[in-house]
Amino acid sequence: DADVTQTPRNRITKTGKRIMLECSQTKGHDRMYWYRQDPGLGLRLIYYSFDVKDINKGEISDGYSVSRQAQAKFSLSLESAIPNQTALYFCATSDPSGAGGRSNEQFFGPGTRLTVL
Amino acid sequence: QQQVKQSPQSLIVQKGGISIINCAYENTAFDYFPWYQQFPGKGPALLIAIRPDVSEKKEGRFTISFNKSAKQFSLHIMDSQPGDSATYFCAASGNPPTAGNNRLAFGKGNQVVVIP
Repeated sequence: DADVTQTPRNRITKTGKRIMLECSQTKGHDRMYWYRQDPGLGLRLIYYSFDVKDINKGEISDGYSVSRQAQAKFSLSLESAIPNQTALYFCATSDPSGAGGRSNEQFFGPGTRLTVL
Repeated sequence: QQQVKQSPQSLIVQKGGISIINCAYENTAFDYFPWYQQFPGKGPALLIAIRPDVSEKKEGRFTISFNKSAKQFSLHIMDSQPGDSATYFCAASGNPPTAGNNRLAFGKGNQVVVIP
């Protein structure tokens, strides 16, 4: 979805490096999420934010931190990257007041493929 | 623990056939059940969703069947086409979408391949 953008799209880094993945959205949604996708494990929630002042841990937050700089921007940081953080990372947004019964719909960005060597 | 379990893990279907993917959930507080479709190199996108006040919802060739007593729901793709080849995720969340309830619990995903 072009309304949710992620940068970079691909990143290769080394163990111990600090990495920031960025997400921007033009949908005007208050709620934003970070997921990681691993083969055979599906999508797992790392962090989520329901507004600029709200940050919540998901099911796998260890080793990650986030920053909600504005309604439109939500960044994910790996303070000291390790190889098992190699994965595909997705940002998503939602609007609880969505019309047509789609209030729970989440809109995903194109993903960032991160490789930690 | 896996709150939503999908089966089978992968599926190969002939063009024109029916693809069926099953999903089971544990949390009886869930009352919103979507299926997301993901093509290679793309993020997942909502395909179809159901709430437990109905047992079936159909949108074009895609149908969700819901069995509340069994805590199961399934996706049926009728007249499967090669363009339907993708990964399909079932998910569940609470409703209304207040804080804490809008979190989606995803299944592990099923890869569906439709061969010509």
